[in-house]
Amino acid sequence: DIQMTQSPFSLSPSVGDSVTITCQASQNIGEYLHWYQQKGGQAPKLLIYSASNLQSGVPSRFSGRGTGTYFTLTINNLQPEDFGIYYCQESYIIPWTLGQGTKVEV
Amino acid sequence: QITLKEFGPTLVKPTQTLTLTCSFSGFSLNTSGLAVAWIRQPPGRALEWLALVYWDNDKRFSPSLESRLTITKDTSRNQVVLTLTNMGPEDTATYYCAHAEYDWNYAMDVWGPGTTVTVSS
Repeated sequence: DIQMTQSPFSLSPSVGDSVTITCQASQNIGEYLHWYQQKGGQAPKLLIYSASNLQSGVPSRFSGRGTGTYFTLTINNLQPEDFGIYYCQESYIIPWTLGQGTKVEV
Repeated sequence: QITLKEFGPTLVKPTQTLTLTCSFSGFSLNTSGLAVAWIRQPPGRALEWLALVYWDNDKRFSPSLESRLTITKDTSRNQVVLTLTNMGPEDTATYYCAHAEYDWNYAMDVWGPGTTVTVSS
């Protein structure tokens, strides 16, 4: 199985800050990497697919980069509604694996 | 517009079998390249991928749960059914189904709201 390691575990930025979350895969997954946001009690929401593609309707302050084993999610000009837990997920190989989550407390 | 919704019991006794139904609209699981996945989340914990059924009826499972899981699709009813046998307290979780497709490298782009299952006698 592929292991997905996210960091940091949590962060407490201020509104207006830029934050970067990293996700490292235990083997090369190309660009089969996706990012989700989950707010309390809600289903996850897809933000970025295939490492760098912004899902329709997602604000442009979200961006993703990376390929192979190292990926980043950056949120520029952090807004109060951006609090939540962020997960990365690989779909390169079964079983699909998700990271352990990064909690963003604004 | 694609929507999914999970249905099933809220309370299951230990050793029982859980049966969850994902009812969806806005797509057909006969369409090439599509899939429906199941994911769960124990209280306060991370998401865990469980199983997947593709349009061609190919089925894949989490290795740690494979012996206890089945997944079936009913394209006439637009449903995917997940069963998990021999339920234990560790299976208490919110269970989600999600749509995924080949064109987006199987990112799970639409999720159901989830259904919470508690295992308790």
